[in-house]
Amino acid sequence: EDKVVQSPLSLVVHEGDTVTLNCSYEVTNFRSLLWYKQEKKAPTFLFMLTSSGIEKKSGRLSSILDKKELFSIQNITATQTGDSAVYLCAGTPSGTYKYIFGTGTRLKVLA
Amino acid sequence: DTGVSQNPRHKITKRGQNVTFRCDPISEHNRLYWYRQTLGQGPEFLTYFQNEAQLEKSRLLSDRFSAERPKGSFSTLEIQRTEQGDSAMYLCAIGGGEAFFGQGTRLTVV
Repeated sequence: EDKVVQSPLSLVVHEGDTVTLNCSYEVTNFRSLLWYKQEKKAPTFLFMLTSSGIEKKSGRLSSILDKKELFSIQNITATQTGDSAVYLCAGTPSGTYKYIFGTGTRLKVLA
Repeated sequence: DTGVSQNPRHKITKRGQNVTFRCDPISEHNRLYWYRQTLGQGPEFLTYFQNEAQLEKSRLLSDRFSAERPKGSFSTLEIQRTEQGDSAMYLCAIGGGEAFFGQGTRLTVV
């Protein structure tokens, strides 16, 4: 059965710290991996990764995929209180339209 | 603004009642998804439409759930004979390789 596992489940850091969020996946005929940020409402799209070893960056956020080891990491540098959220990753298998989400990592950034 | 409007934003209903939610993409999109999210969990896939055709449906979706997209634009999700376990956030999403979610409808069954 397809599954996506995220770690840690929760994380508390102070402003200015750097964090690494982990996502491992077992997805049939893997097609892509997506990262989302969810505050109190709907998930907001961050990145889509399809190729191994190519880093995607947006400001202080970056993400990379390792298709051999079946995982992805998301780094957030110089964290701010506004980064506090649940970060979700999702795998997309080929031959289906669904995204398989992990349970998320809850990040809290203290001032 | 993600380009998806969902109504209502909140719904409280008594167990056994039927409820219907609506999803309106602001612009034309071929692909439309419904997901359900409970507290502490990631979104769980319910169903997928390409235009008006429902091409995939989760096996977790019981017969009490039905979704339509009659003209390939807006979509509705109906839950019949609601149960307390149906309490969740129901999310609509549009997109191609990546999905963009609406604000969701929070359902509480009492």
